[in-house]
Amino acid sequence: GENVEQHPSTLSVQEGDSAVIKCTYSDSASNYFPWYKQELGKRPQLIIDIRSNVGEKKDQRIAVTLNKTAKHFSLHITETQPEDSAVYFCAASFYGQNFVFGPGTRLSVLP
Amino acid sequence: GAGVSQSPRYKVTKRGQDVALRCDPISGHVSLYWYRQALGQGPEFLTYFNYEAQQDKSGLPNDRFSAERPEGSISTLTIQRTEQRDSAMYRCASSLVLGGGTFMNTEAFFGQGTRLTVV
Repeated sequence: GENVEQHPSTLSVQEGDSAVIKCTYSDSASNYFPWYKQELGKRPQLIIDIRSNVGEKKDQRIAVTLNKTAKHFSLHITETQPEDSAVYFCAASFYGQNFVFGPGTRLSVLP
Repeated sequence: GAGVSQSPRYKVTKRGQDVALRCDPISGHVSLYWYRQALGQGPEFLTYFNYEAQQDKSGLPNDRFSAERPEGSISTLTIQRTEQRDSAMYRCASSLVLGGGTFMNTEAFFGQGTRLTVV
C-alpha cells in the first residue's frame, strides 16, 4: 500500500521568509496530492492540491511542485505570516480514493 | 447541511462498552472516509465508502471496529468492547468523487471529529 513520508516534522521561520515542506510517496499509481492545514483544535482544511498531469501549481503565496519520477512533492509558502502557523499535512491518493496522509509538519512563523 | 457533521463531538466511555460514531457527509457526496487522528499525528486511514459500498477496510485496526453506510449517506463507525488504546479523535471526510478515472471534485472535506476517551 501507499506510504507517505513528510519532512521536516517541525519548522520555524521568521516572518517574511519562505517555508518548504517535502513529502515522498511510494505508490507510483497515486495521482492526486492535496495539502491540508490544521490549526489547533480545528479540522484539516485543504489549501492546495496538485494532480499528476502538472508539475507545479500556484495560489498566491502558496505553491506545490511535483516530481513524478522521484515520487516527491513539496509545499512552498512565501512571505510567511504569523497566521500561517499551523500543522501541515500532505496526502497521496489515486483519483481521490483512500487518501494516505503524511505525519505532519508543525510550522511556526516567528514575528 | 453545509459541511460534514459528526456526532457526538465528545464521547467518554468505560472500557468494554460499545460506541457508535456518526458521520453526516455533505449532501450528494459519493465518497466517505473514516480516519483516526492521534494528537500531533496525521490522519490514519480506517475505511472508506463509495455510496453504500465499503471499498476498503484495510485500515480498521481489528475486528472490534466496523463501519456501515446503509443508504449511501450517513455512516456509522462502531467500536465494540472499547479499550483505552482506542482513545483518539475520529474524523470523517467526504468528497464528491466516485473514482474510476476522473479528476473532478476530488477535494475531501473533513468534519469536526469525535474525540473518544475510553476510561
